[in-house]
Amino acid sequence: DTEVTQTPKHLVMGMTNKKSLKCEQHMGHRAMYWYKQKAKKPPELMFVYSYEKLSINESVPSRFSPECPNSSLLNLHLHALQPEDSALYLCASRQDSATSGNTIYFGEGSWLTVV
Amino acid sequence: GQSLEQPSEVTAVEGAIVQINCTYQTSGFYGLSWYQQHDGGAPTFLSYNALDGLEETGRFSSFLSRSDSYGYLLLQELQMKDSASYFCAVRDIGTYKYIFGTGTRLKVLA
Repeated sequence: DTEVTQTPKHLVMGMTNKKSLKCEQHMGHRAMYWYKQKAKKPPELMFVYSYEKLSINESVPSRFSPECPNSSLLNLHLHALQPEDSALYLCASRQDSATSGNTIYFGEGSWLTVV
Repeated sequence: GQSLEQPSEVTAVEGAIVQINCTYQTSGFYGLSWYQQHDGGAPTFLSYNALDGLEETGRFSSFLSRSDSYGYLLLQELQMKDSASYFCAVRDIGTYKYIFGTGTRLKVLA
């Protein structure tokens, strides 16, 4: 079972709203990722959590706030976004081991539109 | 830093064979992965090369040559459903960064 579940699938929010994207995996993976993807572009790394701790922040604006409540859950809190933040937001996870875990598995993504 | 370059678009006909190349510049990585992404969907894992050489998975094969900083994805017996974007990706040694190539849009014509 290589399932990563993201909710909501679609979200429309105003620039003054606060919303959250949620991601869940039950594969025992200890590395979790947030990516942003614009149309016809590759996924762009935003954040990486390893063992529930933030290990990488790719200079993402503070209006995006990640959270990892436990090893299965990853949230992305959104506040005061701009229209250019409209994109597909992808969550992914990876098994963290010395001998395996060089493949990441994506959720179906959350389509975000900022109006 | 790391960069992975791919051709932006490839077109082929049903039943044909197509090769999608990935050339990279990186200080060190664990292996080369390939992902497929249909319009409106999420990337799905296709293939992984930890070592140099060819890996075969059904109609898809992937190749890696670390000495040439080069890899490719080979798709055989093309079908219309193979029309999608394809990305190569690497995981950087020493960090948890998983970086994607520029992507190749494959169009399969009837």
